[in-house]
Parts: sequence; structure tokens; C-alpha cells
Amino acid sequence: QKEVEQDPGPLSVPEGAIVSLNCTYSNSAFQYFMWYRQYSRKGPELLMYTYSSGNKEDGRFTAQVDKSSKYISLFIRDSQPSDSATYLCAMKRVRGAGNKLTFGGGTRVLVKP
Amino acid sequence: NAGVTQTPKFRVLKTGQSMTLLCAQDMNHEYMYWYRQDPGMGLRLIHYSVGEGTTAKGEVPDGYNVSRLKKQNFLLGLESAAPSQTSVYFCASSWPSRDTDTQYFGPGTRLTVL
Repeated sequence: QKEVEQDPGPLSVPEGAIVSLNCTYSNSAFQYFMWYRQYSRKGPELLMYTYSSGNKEDGRFTAQVDKSSKYISLFIRDSQPSDSATYLCAMKRVRGAGNKLTFGGGTRVLVKP
Repeated sequence: NAGVTQTPKFRVLKTGQSMTLLCAQDMNHEYMYWYRQDPGMGLRLIHYSVGEGTTAKGEVPDGYNVSRLKKQNFLLGLESAAPSQTSVYFCASSWPSRDTDTQYFGPGTRLTVL
């Protein structure tokens, strides 16, 4: 069983809809949670970063962490065709330790005009 | 700033051949990483380095070697390529900070082993 599970999709939504993405994990030692966005044939780029449980909002993006359920989510409001990409969740145990990240498999999102 | 660059962008090898992938970063980052990305598997860490002259094994190190002779460069070597090493390889770098520890990724190298 993978430490981090993520539905591969694809998730297809009309422009303007809310995109809801999530990951589940098994290791309660994870403390830092990230979402990376990866456009086709490009490297991933950091989108959101959250420490421990709670919500974090940045423009149209909201990240939620529920450590009691070992579940994290990313919501994209007013989705645009430019949001079409693969979204990878990632998590880390402690600061330092080589900053090693454990990634989910990624969810492909397609926003249709 | 070029950020993180990778050379080459594409490569086709025959089984048993060797090659070296080069990663360079101009952000003065202390940490560097090599990942491979396969369909449905996400990114898996091969090797990483926490500073010049240091290397450590990641999740899937077998069949790969690395060297970090200069702070800005991190080399990934395949001594005897196998079809199972067909993948997209990403290099990343980071400078641990109090807030984000963001990893910055290169554009990737697509490797096919026949």
C-alpha cells in the first residue's frame, strides 16, 4: 500500500466550476503538506504549502488539512482552462531530514471552456 | 536566473549502455534531489544531497549513482541501463527556510531504454 493515495483522474469540469482534489495518507508522522501543479511536459511547481491541520487560502486556491482523518484537499474556485494540469500532493515528516517529500500519484484536471 | 536546468532533455539508450544526466542550479541551494516519474506513480526520490560532497539514497536508488562535486551541480549516472529505467527524470533543489522549504524543479529528461 502506498503511503500517499491520490485518484489519478482525469477530472473534467466546465470553466467556472469548483475543482475538488484530495489525497489520503497512512503515516501520521507527516507534518507538512504541499500541492504541486505540473503542466504537460514541464516540471512541478509549488502551489500551496500548509503546516499541520487547518485551512489556507491563496486567491482562487484553498488547501485543507485534516490530520485526524489523514486527509488533505485542494479546492480551485472559478476554474479556468489554464488550470488544466496534473496536481500532485506531497508531504514531509519533519523539517530538515533532507527535505524529503513523499508524493501522491497526481490527479489530471481538465477545465473545458 | 535560469533556476534549475537539466541536460539532456531527451535520450534513447540501448540496454547495457551508460549515461550521465546533469542538473545545474544557480540559486545557491544547499539541497539537491533526483526523482523519477512514472505513470500513476508520482515522483519517487532516487538520491539526494544535503551539501557539496554529500549524497544519500532515496526511495529507489538501485541502478543509479550520483555525485555532487560542486554545490551547483548534481549528476545522476546509469552504469548499465535497463528497460525498467525508462522514465522521466526530474532534478530539484531547495534551500531550507523557516517557512516553506520549497523544492524547485527542472524541466525533466525523458529517457527511453530499448
